[in-house]
Parts: sequence; C-alpha cells; structure tokens
Amino acid sequence: EAGVTQFPSHSVIEKGQTVTLRCDPISGHDNLYWYRRVMGKEIKFLLHFVKESKQDESGMPNNRFLAERTGGTYSTLKVQPAELEDSGVYFCASSPLGVTQYFGPGTRLTVL
Amino acid sequence: GNSVTQMEGPVTLSEEAFLTINCTYTATGYPSLFWYVQYPGEGLQLLLKATKADDKGSNKGFEATYRKETTSFHLEKGSVQVSDSAVYFCALLSQAGTALIFGKGTTLSVSS
Repeated sequence: EAGVTQFPSHSVIEKGQTVTLRCDPISGHDNLYWYRRVMGKEIKFLLHFVKESKQDESGMPNNRFLAERTGGTYSTLKVQPAELEDSGVYFCASSPLGVTQYFGPGTRLTVL
Repeated sequence: GNSVTQMEGPVTLSEEAFLTINCTYTATGYPSLFWYVQYPGEGLQLLLKATKADDKGSNKGFEATYRKETTSFHLEKGSVQVSDSAVYFCALLSQAGTALIFGKGTTLSVSS
C-alpha cells in the first residue's frame, strides 16, 4: 500500500511569488490534514478535510493560504503571495478514522 | 488549552546506552498519545501510541506508558543503536479535536 506522497519535495521561491503544494493521501483515507513546521518551532496544525469538506481550518495563518481537496482525493495548498515567514516544512497526513494519522515526507519551502 | 512539553535536546548517547525522552502533556479529558520519529531526510513516522490510561505502546524496542496521574508519556529504549539517531516528537490528540498537538521535538544522536 502506497503511503502519503507530497510534491514537490523542495521549493525555493521569491517573496511575492505563488507556490502550490500537493498531497496524495493513502487510498481510501477520508481524513486529510495539513501541518507546518517553521524552523525551530513545533509542528502546527493548519487544516483538516473530511472528503472534500473543510472540517477545521482554525490553524490557517491568514488568507494568503488556500487549501482545496476537489473530489475528495488529493489536496493542494496554495500560498499567494508568499512571504519570508512562510518558509518551513509543510506536512500532509491522512487517516481512515481520524485517530492515527500517517504523514508524508513533507515539502520544504524556502521563501527568499 | 492542550499542550505537550518535551525535554530539550539534543540528546547524545553512546551505542547500547539507555534512552529516556520525557514528555508531559496538558489536556482536558482523555487524549490519545503518540510518539512520532523523523529520520534524517525522511518524513514523520508513527513510532507508537497509547489511547487510554495505563496503556503501553511499543515498537522497535521503544516503549512508552500512558500515565494519567503524572500526565506523562515518556519514551524509553533499553539499548540504543546508531540507526536510532533521529528527531522524536511527542504528540496528543484530544478527545474532541482532530488536530495533533506536538511537542518541539528532541534530537537524538547515537555514536558508535
């Protein structure tokens, strides 16, 4: 069974540009989560989908971040426009029942 | 609110030494508790979990016991190997919530 995959693994962009991160959850997992770890800080929750619906987006930092999960399969997280403080590692996780979450390898975003 | 506190790292040990990484939590109700591990260059992997008081999670020689009276979930291993070098994260999932709440992570370095 394939695990959670994320693309790209690394992204380097300039301040003001747009970046889109993609997450493919484990097949059959209705729950999908985005988290972020800024350098030296805790891993912080961003939002939670159940199928295509946003269940909880209380962790989204501001309206420069937009997450979608069309069709309830893969998800994208767009940052537009990117700021320096958006640099960090973005993790995606999926879960069948909402208890144990399985994480992807993360996307390292660097904003210059 | 809910929170997780981990011992500060880095932790540096010689091969075959005993490992303890302390983790305490603050939460209402009865959270589920987890240890995740991130090996160099890889994503987060679930190491072990416990979902109720006095449960012991174990995997790959690592153990942690859910202690409600001390609100702790300390990670232990009797004999560490060089391959255990990684960052270890303690996390909780509250009864009502969907988001994992992480500690800051503890870097373990094991030398031969």
